[in-house]
Amino acid sequence: AQSVAQPEDQVNVAEGNPLTVKCTYSVSGNPYLFWYVQYPNRGLQFLLKYITGDNLVKGSYGFEAEFNKSQTSFHLKKPSALVSDSALYFCAVRGGNTGGFKTIFGAGTRLFVKA
Amino acid sequence: ETGVTQTPRHLVMGMTNKKSLKCEQHLGHNAMYWYKQSAKKPLELMFVYSLEERVENNSVPSRFSPECPNSSHLFLHLHTLQPEDSALYLCASSQTWGQGTDTQYFGPGTRLTVL
Repeated sequence: AQSVAQPEDQVNVAEGNPLTVKCTYSVSGNPYLFWYVQYPNRGLQFLLKYITGDNLVKGSYGFEAEFNKSQTSFHLKKPSALVSDSALYFCAVRGGNTGGFKTIFGAGTRLFVKA
Repeated sequence: ETGVTQTPRHLVMGMTNKKSLKCEQHLGHNAMYWYKQSAKKPLELMFVYSLEERVENNSVPSRFSPECPNSSHLFLHLHTLQPEDSALYLCASSQTWGQGTDTQYFGPGTRLTVL
């Protein structure tokens, strides 16, 4: 069965420092991996996705994520955090040989960026 | 804005009421979704419609009744709900249901409180 784990409920980082939000997954076959962000009182907004090809994926608002097949990870990164990046971040996985078409979401990681 | 709108944004209802949530997408997509988002839990997929046909029903109680009259509109009819049904209900759409690479676009959600 497909699954996604976001091991940290919360990540705290100072503005200007690099940030990492962790995600690991479990699927059979090749995964399609997504990151979404949710600001207060809003729906989820798409940030980036990995389908195939280059393991480093660049997305919106300066975010990027690195696909690591051997570690089954897809960590979200940003070189320099902004206070406005404070939000709830969701990793999601879809596909794989037996995954069907459902998207499985992680429980979310809350990012706090302190000025 | 993601091109997916939801009304109402907030809803308070008693356990004996009947109400409906509405979702509309302006993206020309063929698949639409209902998700339930509860605090500190992963997003729960409730229903999926592809080309106006229900293709997924994730063991959702019958007090939730979806309707998809056309590919742009999706409703969630609610009746005799329980307090544990209080949550944020998110609508999403994607180009197709069958393509694992498709990105889902989310509406802002309806915050439902059941008294």
